[in-house]
Amino acid sequence: GAVVSQHPSRVICKSGTSVKIECRSLDFQATTMFWYRQFPKQSLMLMATSNEGSKATYEQGVEKDKFLINHASLTLSTLTVTSAHPEDSSFYICSAINPGLAGKETQYFGPGTRLLVL
Amino acid sequence: ELKVEQNPLFLSMQEGKNYTIYCNYSTTSDRLYWYRQDPGKSLESLFVLLSNGAVKQEGRLMASLDTKARLSTLHITAAVHDLSATYFCARGGTYKYIFGTGTRLKVLA
Repeated sequence: GAVVSQHPSRVICKSGTSVKIECRSLDFQATTMFWYRQFPKQSLMLMATSNEGSKATYEQGVEKDKFLINHASLTLSTLTVTSAHPEDSSFYICSAINPGLAGKETQYFGPGTRLLVL
Repeated sequence: ELKVEQNPLFLSMQEGKNYTIYCNYSTTSDRLYWYRQDPGKSLESLFVLLSNGAVKQEGRLMASLDTKARLSTLHITAAVHDLSATYFCARGGTYKYIFGTGTRLKVLA
């Protein structure tokens, strides 16, 4: 299988605080994970590609100092939203590639984390 | 510029009817994915299309891929209310996905 989990599923925080979201591959090792953001009634937008043991690759327009990504192990990537503001409120979804499966570029998506910044 | 466009963006249809959602992408790829998303939920994988001419069917949904036309279709046969959701296509390639704009489908009883 290829199961991806996220924690927390939902978080509410005050403006100016930092929030960490975890993404785990439960039954496989993922050298590459991805972080997406989805605003209401919009599509998924790729924020960054997280590579185990190296720096993340950020998409154009995504502030790397605001969205800190750490991929310290083959089963865990974290996204930290620093100094969160109300405009950061969104649905954050991670995905992971299972290189051991056929169709090796297929991404498996986590259940998402809904962030609300007050 | 990499673009993936879906049409229609919104679709309201009666139960029992057939309809097709179109996904056009701007640069060549031989990998195309379809997902379903229910409100407040993450993505559910529907189809993985890995080659030109690929056709896959699951229940009332059938997806196809024409890489030469850079077009994928998701055909709905005899729609039922449970199919109401948002459907996304995603162009794959070099590990990075580009998602389509999404089609919000509402099936009326």
